[in-house]
Amino acid sequence: KAGVTQTPRYLIKTRGQQVTLSCSPISGHRSVSWYQQTPGQGLQFLFEYFSETQRNKGNFPGRFSGRQFSNSRSEMNVSTLELGDSALYLCASLDPGQGRNEQFFGPGTRLTVL
Amino acid sequence: SQQGEEDPQALSIQEGENATMNCSYKTSINNLQWYRQNSGRGLVHLILIRSNEREKHSGRLRVTLDTSKKSSSLLITASRAADTASYFCAPNQAGTALIFGKGTTLSVSS
Repeated sequence: KAGVTQTPRYLIKTRGQQVTLSCSPISGHRSVSWYQQTPGQGLQFLFEYFSETQRNKGNFPGRFSGRQFSNSRSEMNVSTLELGDSALYLCASLDPGQGRNEQFFGPGTRLTVL
Repeated sequence: SQQGEEDPQALSIQEGENATMNCSYKTSINNLQWYRQNSGRGLVHLILIRSNEREKHSGRLRVTLDTSKKSSSLLITASRAADTASYFCAPNQAGTALIFGKGTTLSVSS
């Protein structure tokens, strides 16, 4: 099976712009989670989607949003970008239907906000 | 959801030595997972230990879980330079998201 893919891998934006990141989970995985990783704050949970519904949510402002499509692909959007949004954004998928809890991570999208 | 806290924050050892890192958490769990992250890349799942298990092995990895102390440890035996990475624990409750701590950064020098 192909692994989790994320596009784009690198992105440079300026303050005030918005950005959309994409994540394609492993085939058959219906849960997708998003994380933000920065040197200062570490790895922080953004949200989790399961079967097109947001199931869990972290403590991020409303500028961060996401969605999941019927094919389980997920997108996250960040509006009105701030310098502090510069980070590695990781998505992870799992298949809870098999009673397994291991998450499979993509390579990440490196976002730089200038 | 709850976050694990890894200790130490950083660990430097020589090749061939063993590396031990610890994880503490606050409330009851269904399982606890360990992940590895090489610099700037995605996390890779290493091992999962269920709340009713006390010890688990996978290759050079040995994980222990003490639910009474709410702690876990990850032992990497005979470390190699390729083990240089950050290691994260994730205590997991059913139906909740995996939350990661700041991790332990392991540096193995040859």
